[in-house]
Parts: sequence; C-alpha cells; structure tokens
Amino acid sequence: DIQMTQSPSTLSASVGDRVTITCRASQSISTWLAWYQQKAGTAPKLLIYKASSLESGVPSRFSGSGSETEFTLTISSLQPDDFATYYCQQYNTYSPYTFGQGTKLEIK
Amino acid sequence: QLQLQESGPGLVKPSETLSLTCTVSGGSISSSSYYWGWIRQPPGKELEWIGSIYYSGSTYYNPSLKSRVTISIDTSKNQFSLKLSSVTAADTAVYYCARLRGGSYSKYYFDYWGQGTLVTVSS
Repeated sequence: DIQMTQSPSTLSASVGDRVTITCRASQSISTWLAWYQQKAGTAPKLLIYKASSLESGVPSRFSGSGSETEFTLTISSLQPDDFATYYCQQYNTYSPYTFGQGTKLEIK
Repeated sequence: QLQLQESGPGLVKPSETLSLTCTVSGGSISSSSYYWGWIRQPPGKELEWIGSIYYSGSTYYNPSLKSRVTISIDTSKNQFSLKLSSVTAADTAVYYCARLRGGSYSKYYFDYWGQGTLVTVSS
C-alpha cells in the first residue's frame, strides 16, 4: 500500500493567518492527489484534485501544490469556517486508495 | 444537485453481515463517467476506502477487506449496496457512500459524499 503521511497532526492558527499542511507519499504518485475538508460530524468535502486543481465552488484562498511524493495544501488567509480536519488521499493506484491520518486545524 | 444517502441497520452483532444501501438522487448511477464507492471511518480515526463499483457491475476492493466485502449495484433503483461479512468490533465505524469522478488515465477521486451512517458492532 502507498502510505500517506501528513504533518503536522494538529495546527493552531488565527483568523487571517497563512497556513500550510504537508502530505508525503511513500512512493511516487505523480499528481494524483486530492485534499478534503471534514468538519465534526459531517462528510468530507473535496477541495483540491490532481494536486492543484481547485474544485468548483471552493474559495480561492485554498491552493494545492506538489508532485511525486511531496504535496502541500495552503490556506492563504484563514477564515472562521476553515477550522476543520484536512485529509489528503492518493488515487494513483486503487489497490488500495489511501488517505493520510488527517491534520486538525484549531483556533489559536 | 447530486445527493447520496446511506441506509441500513445501525447495530450489527459480531460474526454477522453488515448491509448498507446508498440511494443516489439528482443524477443517474448509470452514467459511464463515474464510479461509486464506500469509505469508512472508525470513531476518531482516519478514512479507509472499502471498495468501488461501476454501473456495469465491475468492482474493485481494498485488499485488506476483499475476502469479506461485496458491493453490488441496482441501476433500476439508482442504488448501490455494501455487504461486509463476519464483522467484529473493529468494523464499528461511520460508513460513507460516495461518487468517484475522474477519467483521465482511469484515475478517480471522491467528489460527492453521503452524510454517513454509524454502524456499531456489538452483541
């Protein structure tokens, strides 16, 4: 299986901050990476696909970058609605699809 | 707007079979552009992909669960279903159904999710 490792596990930040979350793959996945946002008690929401493509309707303060084994999700100016848990997921191979362990973004 | 809704028992006894159905509305499950899948999340833990199905019935499963999983599709009802046999407490989780979008080089990601349903395995 391709292991996906996110860092940090928890991130404390303030409204208006620029934050970056990192996701590392245990082997090259090209740019076949998605990012999701999950708020407590709700389903994950797709933010980014193919490493850097913004899903329709997602605010432009979210951006993704990276390739091969290292990827980042950046929120340019944190809004109150952005405090949630974020997951990366590789879809280079479906045997199996794998997710990172999550990064919880908390209010400082 | 596409909507997915999981349904099924919230409590299953150990060694029995967990059965869930996902009903899709606002779009056709028979579209050749998408796959459909199941993902689960144990309480406080990360997401785990269970398996996926195409409208034709073609399936692929997580190797770690493959021996216990069956996913089927009913295009006449716009539904797909999950069966997980021989469950234990480790199968307690929120189960989500989702649509997979992609197509380029057969690479698919999850773009629409159901709200999820908690299934507890306990006697």
